[in-house]
Amino acid sequence: AQSVTQPDIHITVSEGASLELRCNYSYGATPYLFWYVQSPGQGLQLLLKYFSGDTLVQGIKGFEAEFKRSQSSFNLRKPSVHWSDAAEYFCAVVPSRGSYIPTFGRGTSLIVHP
Amino acid sequence: DVKVTQSSRYLVKRTGEKVFLECVQDMDHENMFWYRQDPGLGLRLIYFSYDVKMKEKGDIPEGYSVSREKKERFSLILESASTNQTSMYLCASSYQGGTEAFFGQGTRLTVV
Repeated sequence: AQSVTQPDIHITVSEGASLELRCNYSYGATPYLFWYVQSPGQGLQLLLKYFSGDTLVQGIKGFEAEFKRSQSSFNLRKPSVHWSDAAEYFCAVVPSRGSYIPTFGRGTSLIVHP
Repeated sequence: DVKVTQSSRYLVKRTGEKVFLECVQDMDHENMFWYRQDPGLGLRLIYFSYDVKMKEKGDIPEGYSVSREKKERFSLILESASTNQTSMYLCASSYQGGTEAFFGQGTRLTVV
């Protein structure tokens, strides 16, 4: 069965610092990969996605992610964090064949200090 | 603008009540999903549907049922609410080809 691991439950950064959120997946073939963000009390909003091709993908709000097949990873990055980036971040995978059901990681809570 | 709408943002129900959570999407999506979100556990799939009147169990279906009579609407039913079903419930939809899921704003259910 496919699985998604986000090893960091919480991450604290200072405003203006760089950010990297980790995501590893376990699946037989390369799935579709996603990062979502959830502000408090809200639903999930898509930040970016990877289907194929260029392994560095750009998303909204200045985020990017890099797919590394050899490490089964899809880490999210931002060069300079803003206070408004404080939120919960979820990595998700969808099988490229078959059920197309999204499986989510447990989430990483980002805290931004002024 | 695409939209997934959940009927309630907050609900408070009593133990043993039958509870209906409604979700409507306006994107003509084939797939619809109900997830439950709890702190530290992420999103866990309760049920999903890939077509009208079709439903499949997810990872945690016990205590829940679903109904999809029309393509745009997917209802989650708690047959007899219990306190351990207090949670945030998220509805999502997607096209059949596995593109990204679009989420509603969530329903925070408290069972007392």
